[in-house]
Amino acid sequence: QSVLTQPPSASGTPGQRVTISCSGSSSNIGDNAVNWYQQLPGAAPKLLIYGNNQWASGVPDRFSGSKSGTSASLAIIGLQSDDEADYFCAAWDDRLKGVVFGGGTKLTVL
Amino acid sequence: QVTLKESGPALVKPTQTLTLTCTFSGFSLTTTGMRVSWIRQPPGKALEWLARIDWDDDKFYSTSLKTRLTISKDTSKNQVVLTMTNMDPVDTATYYCARTPEYATSSAYFDYWGQGTLVTVSS
Repeated sequence: QSVLTQPPSASGTPGQRVTISCSGSSSNIGDNAVNWYQQLPGAAPKLLIYGNNQWASGVPDRFSGSKSGTSASLAIIGLQSDDEADYFCAAWDDRLKGVVFGGGTKLTVL
Repeated sequence: QVTLKESGPALVKPTQTLTLTCTFSGFSLTTTGMRVSWIRQPPGKALEWLARIDWDDDKFYSTSLKTRLTISKDTSKNQVVLTMTNMDPVDTATYYCARTPEYATSSAYFDYWGQGTLVTVSS
């Protein structure tokens, strides 16, 4: 069971807006930056959003991140078929002194 | 150009020790602030952070696996090595190494990843 909690699945149709949540605690999200990763089928994860809301290099501004308290969200607008992937949130945990990941959300574009 | 590549056995038997090597290029682990982590992913499951080694040889381990893991570096060869003892079928996973650059303020910031290596634990 992952330390950060994400919904196992999300879906939307092309052009729609979808959001993926990531819930943690004061020792991780509450006190540290959240990063988001996109993992396409059969590929290594790719950094998407860092520092809660900063775009990694080359990431389109259709993706955005936010954080409030001990929760964070990833939003995707103008959904496209090649956004279909697994999305993971991650943060440093001060109590565990390590990186914690969410369980991942599988995004399906209908 | 930054690259990382994992290498090691594809198959290990239960109770054996796994040794994985991450060979990288395009950066140096002698650069102040540079860090390399190992992360694994069982088939169809979530990512799990395992360990990290820093430019100053500081080391951090997953609390749940701490007793089984050892991470080390050879800066002359641009390599980071992870050993995991007492392997079990539940350790079957793709193992990745990933870089945290010196300018990253978060240790959960991984900008470059290796392609991963699948390790199967079976007798």
